[in-house]
Amino acid sequence: DTEVTQTPKHLVMGMTNKKSLKCEQHMGHRAMYWYKQKAKKPPELMFVYSYEKLSINESVPSRFSPECPNSSLLNLHLHALQPEDSALYLCASSQRWGNQPQHFGDGTRLSIL
Amino acid sequence: GQQLNQSPQSMFIQEGEDVSMNCTSSSIFNTWLWYKQDPGEGPVLLIALYKAGELTSNGRLTAQFGITRKDSFLNISASIPSDVGIYFCAGSNTGNQFYFGTGTSLTVIP
Repeated sequence: DTEVTQTPKHLVMGMTNKKSLKCEQHMGHRAMYWYKQKAKKPPELMFVYSYEKLSINESVPSRFSPECPNSSLLNLHLHALQPEDSALYLCASSQRWGNQPQHFGDGTRLSIL
Repeated sequence: GQQLNQSPQSMFIQEGEDVSMNCTSSSIFNTWLWYKQDPGEGPVLLIALYKAGELTSNGRLTAQFGITRKDSFLNISASIPSDVGIYFCAGSNTGNQFYFGTGTSLTVIP
């Protein structure tokens, strides 16, 4: 069982909907990450939070809005997504931002109709 | 961003055989990670390497940090059906992020 918990596991939404993905870890990690993964491809980094502050935004469209309410929680707010945004969204955490191994959740499988 | 090339892209092997795969980069890295991903799940960390030449084992898995610091290798001994999955390497040089390899898909035939 993964120590990074993501909800929901599956999400189907229309292009005009607003929804949020949630990620939680209780390992005391101070760096958290969002990745997007297409089928049979490697994960692509979207955002990095270090000590609850946004440290990296990999030129992600504004229809994806991250939020880190506290050191254990990471959200990804979704609005007006496109069909090409359908993917597996993975959350990860590490002790600190840097060369620390990242531990992944099982992801949210997102489908945009 | 940087892309790491993994070889082979896919492997079909008989149960009990040993497996070797590698990951190469055009840049020098100071940390290498190896992950396994099962369908419908997130990547699971297998081994972390921090020093050139380092050889680290985790059960039947052994990984090495190449001495050029531009490559890493993963070996699986005596493969079993549950070894099936996609294996990703990931490397970091600046410490700002890890770059993931293209993946090696492993199929084990019972």
